[in-house]
Amino acid sequence: GQQVMQIPQYQHVQEGEDFTTYCNSSTTLSNIQWYKQRPGGHPVFLIQLVKSGEVKKQKRLTFQFGEAKKNSSLHITATQTTDVGTYFCAGLNFGNEKLTFGTGTRLTIIP
Amino acid sequence: DSGVTQTPKHLITATGQRVTLRCSPRSGDLSVYWYQQSLDQGLQFLIQYYNGEERAKGNILERFSAQQFPDLHSELNLSSLELGDSALYFCASSARQGLGETQYFGPGTRLLVL
Repeated sequence: GQQVMQIPQYQHVQEGEDFTTYCNSSTTLSNIQWYKQRPGGHPVFLIQLVKSGEVKKQKRLTFQFGEAKKNSSLHITATQTTDVGTYFCAGLNFGNEKLTFGTGTRLTIIP
Repeated sequence: DSGVTQTPKHLITATGQRVTLRCSPRSGDLSVYWYQQSLDQGLQFLIQYYNGEERAKGNILERFSAQQFPDLHSELNLSSLELGDSALYFCASSARQGLGETQYFGPGTRLLVL
């Protein structure tokens, strides 16, 4: 079945450093979504990518969708303490429309 | 606040018991999704309902069932509970039926099976 892996599982960065999480699917995706879950909170939708090679930016966050539509990345520039949380990708499988969440990357910030 | 409400917030029960979790979607949303989040399994999609009908099924056990009522609220029933069912259960809603739609998550119900 479809698998969506995220790396790294955990990331500790100094405040002000950059952070990147990678999402890799075993199958081609129709689209990919990114969610953020703060500690003790619920997942909150960040963005959706649909087109091959698409790049979208939200302030310090940059999202990319791979050319083959099997991988994606989220890059945060100059992290702040408010960026703490777990970042999930969710891939919609092309064909059977099965939505699979990635394993998540937990980001902690060292002040 | 996403506009999605879930009750109860916490639930403690014993193995073998049955519980019902309730979810009210955002005003105007027709789709409701249920997810299970546990430490070792991450966020698992269980099931989706759209306007009262089952739309998609994920990794939902046969001991679990759900339904969506005419007023669009949904209930997730968990029966013959096992220790491994202890998890955070999230409900999410979206305006349309496609699984690729933006989903708005509720605060979750934390279930502890003893």
